[in-house]
Amino acid sequence: EDQVTQSPEALRLQEGESSSLNCSYTVSGLRGLFWYRQDPGKGPEFLFTLYSAGEEKEKERLKATLTKKESFLHITAPKPEDSATYLCAVLGAGGTSYGKLTFGQGTILTVHP
Amino acid sequence: EAGVAQSPRYKIIEKRQSVAFWCNPISGHATLYWYQQILGQGPKLLIQFQNNGVVDDSQLPKDRFSAERLKGVDSTLKIQPAKLEDSAVYLCASSLRSYNSPLHFGNGTRLTVT
Repeated sequence: EDQVTQSPEALRLQEGESSSLNCSYTVSGLRGLFWYRQDPGKGPEFLFTLYSAGEEKEKERLKATLTKKESFLHITAPKPEDSATYLCAVLGAGGTSYGKLTFGQGTILTVHP
Repeated sequence: EAGVAQSPRYKIIEKRQSVAFWCNPISGHATLYWYQQILGQGPKLLIQFQNNGVVDDSQLPKDRFSAERLKGVDSTLKIQPAKLEDSAVYLCASSLRSYNSPLHFGNGTRLTVT
């Protein structure tokens, strides 16, 4: 069974204080790793898809990276509006995991002004 | 482009009652998903449709949950009878294709079972 573990569970930063969120996964063949952002009372909003180890994607202050066992979401000089829950999900490729998207529990990020 | 529409936004029912949720996906999206998100957890897939057909319902509690997708567009998810542990946010999502396409989520229905 595919597993996704995100750490830390919660992260509090000062505005401008860069940091990273971690997503560790075990999956039977990886077709893709997805990062989503979820604001309170809203559905998750797609950020990035990563397909293979070594791949990187960037969007404004966010950069996602991927290795064979984990992904990092780096946040550079965060602003209060970056406060949200960040969800990681993996899409399996093998056996009963084929086509299944498994989410982690999320990291709650709070950025103080 | 209009997003995924869900209704109602909130629902409070007593245990053993029934409830239904409605979803209208993004136009042209063939794949539709229902997820359950319990407070403090990530979304868990309940059922996935490809057009009219069910692709995956392995995690749907079929003794109480049912879902249908009418004419490959709108979908309804029903719970009958509800239990206390069904209290959660029910998210509908759609994607252009299955596999590797990003999911577009609606804002969900928050269900409270008392």
